Amino acid sequence: AQSVTQPDIHITVSEGASLELRCNYSYGATPYLFWYVQSPGQGLQLLLKYFSGDTLVQGIKGFEAEFKRSQSSFNLRKPSVHWSDAAEYFCAVGAHKGSELIFGQGTELSVKP
Amino acid sequence: NAGVTQTPKFQVLKTGQSMTLQCAQDMNHEYMSWYRQDPGMGLRLIHYSVGAGITDQGEVPNGYNVSRSTTEDFPLRLLSAAPSQTSVYFCASSRVGQSPYGYTFGSGTRLTVV
Repeated sequence: AQSVTQPDIHITVSEGASLELRCNYSYGATPYLFWYVQSPGQGLQLLLKYFSGDTLVQGIKGFEAEFKRSQSSFNLRKPSVHWSDAAEYFCAVGAHKGSELIFGQGTELSVKP
Repeated sequence: NAGVTQTPKFQVLKTGQSMTLQCAQDMNHEYMSWYRQDPGMGLRLIHYSVGAGITDQGEVPNGYNVSRSTTEDFPLRLLSAAPSQTSVYFCASSRVGQSPYGYTFGSGTRLTVV
């Protein structure tokens, strides 16, 4: 069965520090992977997505993610975190036609001044 | 503005009451779905639809009904509300094709059942 695991429930980083949020997936077919961000009281916004090709994908707001098939991982990174990045981040895996996204449990990011 | 519109934004129900959460999109997306979000559990799929007249169950369908009479609308009905249905509900839509496009989410409905 498909599953997505985000091992870190809560992460705190200092403003200006680098960030890496972990995501591991279990999926029988070729994975289609997404990262979403949710600001407090808001819906989810797509940060980036991976379908095929280059395993390092660039997204909005300076985020990037790297797909590593051998590790079944799709970790999200940002070289320098801003206070406005404080939010909850969700990794998700989807079927090839875009239906039925399976979400991880989410990682809450706090940013220290 | 194009997007997914959910109403109401907040709702308090008494146990046993029924209600309908509304979801509408104006992007001509074939696929629509309902998720519930609970702390520490991420988003879990309740029901989804790949087009008008077609619906199917997701991971947690019990206690909820859906229908899809038009491409634009995908209402979620709570038949007899229970405290376990206290949650934040998100509607999402996307195109269906050869590649996943990612979802567009509504801003959510926060439901409390007392």
